Amino acid sequence: QVELVESGGDLVKPGGSLRLSCAASGFTFGDYYMSWIRQAPGKGLEWVSYISSSSSYTHYADSVKGRFTISRDNAKNSLYLQMNILRAEDTAVYYCARDLTGDYWFDPWGQGTLVTVSS
Amino acid sequence: EIVMTQSPATLSVSPGERATLSCRASQSVSSNLAWYQQKRGQSPRLLIYDASTRVTGIPARFSGSGSGTEFTLTISSLQSEDFAVYYCQQYSNWPPSITFGQGTRLEIK
Repeated sequence: QVELVESGGDLVKPGGSLRLSCAASGFTFGDYYMSWIRQAPGKGLEWVSYISSSSSYTHYADSVKGRFTISRDNAKNSLYLQMNILRAEDTAVYYCARDLTGDYWFDPWGQGTLVTVSS
Repeated sequence: EIVMTQSPATLSVSPGERATLSCRASQSVSSNLAWYQQKRGQSPRLLIYDASTRVTGIPARFSGSGSGTEFTLTISSLQSEDFAVYYCQQYSNWPPSITFGQGTRLEIK
């Protein structure tokens, strides 16, 4: 079955960096756009970034533009999010999600990985 | 940025009754709207996309309607497993944006 498993979440100090990974299985990873979406503790959902199937196109939320970089390795069925200059407001569970139809509808989602930015 | 506003924030409904959740966009998003369900401690799950297309495997009691700026998710006969938080989400190509509503918590009355 289709599965997404995130990893890499941790406690990091403000200004620090972190790299998240998402391992995909059960589908042809290279055929799909992928996204990162986050959820601050007790809050709603915020889309962070997406990447096209061939990595030719990426897009970011204004809140992370210039600090985060999305990438993928289709040979390894993996999605990544490099997060730099982290701020307290970046504290959240980060989910990776597959774009179901190419129209930015997200299904399925991984279980999430927690990033905590605190001194 | 297109702002999505969901109402009510919390909806209390008895099992077996109908629930109607609303989502309003700050400007037209055509039919570019989806609904997600998130149960406590779980990841969100896509229910409806393109405003009214049900995802394979989602029960027929879930239906979506609307276009432009006003959208509705209806759950025709609530089951115990339906009590959760529901989010709407839009995408627009210009200006490029993907935004979620703040969520409606559906609780047992």
